[in-house]
Amino acid sequence: AQSVTQPDIHITVSEGASLELRCNYSYGATPYLFWYVQSPGQGLQLLLKYFSGDTLVQGIKGFEAEFKRSQSSFNLRKPSVHWSDAAEYFCAVGAREYGNKLVFGAGTILRVKS
Amino acid sequence: DAMVIQNPRYQVTQFGKPVTLSCSQTLNHNVMYWYQQKSSQAPKLLFHYYDKDFNNEADTPDNFQSRRPNTSFCFLDIRSPGLGDAAMYLCATSRDIETQYFGPGTRLLVL
Repeated sequence: AQSVTQPDIHITVSEGASLELRCNYSYGATPYLFWYVQSPGQGLQLLLKYFSGDTLVQGIKGFEAEFKRSQSSFNLRKPSVHWSDAAEYFCAVGAREYGNKLVFGAGTILRVKS
Repeated sequence: DAMVIQNPRYQVTQFGKPVTLSCSQTLNHNVMYWYQQKSSQAPKLLFHYYDKDFNNEADTPDNFQSRRPNTSFCFLDIRSPGLGDAAMYLCATSRDIETQYFGPGTRLLVL
């Protein structure tokens, strides 16, 4: 069965420090990969996506992610975190073979300390 | 500029009193989704419309229904809300099986 794992429930980083949020997936098909961010009480905002091509993907707000097929990973990175990045981050995976369904990870809550 | 709009943003209803949540979109996407998200959990897909075709998830309770009168609008009806149905309800849209774009959500409180 398809699954998405975000091993870190909470992460705390200092403002200005670098960030990496981990995402691993188990899928029986070529995946589409997404990172969404959710601020409290809000909907999900798309940060970036990978469908094919260059495995290093640039997104909004200075985020990037790298697809590593050999490791079944799609980790999200940012070189310098801002206080406004504090939110919950969801990794999601889909595949053409599974139609319209996304499988979400459990989410990682990012706290930023000044 | 809004692309996926959900109304209302907050909805309070009474136990057992039917409630309808609304979603509209300006993207002209052919697929619309409804998700339920409880506190500190990932969104859970309830159902989706692919054009006019309704696709229900196997574990979605019968208490939840949906209508899509046209491309732009989709409604979530909860026939008899229970306390366990209090959650954030998220609408999303996509063109075919491409990227899903989410609305701001409706927070439902059941008293």
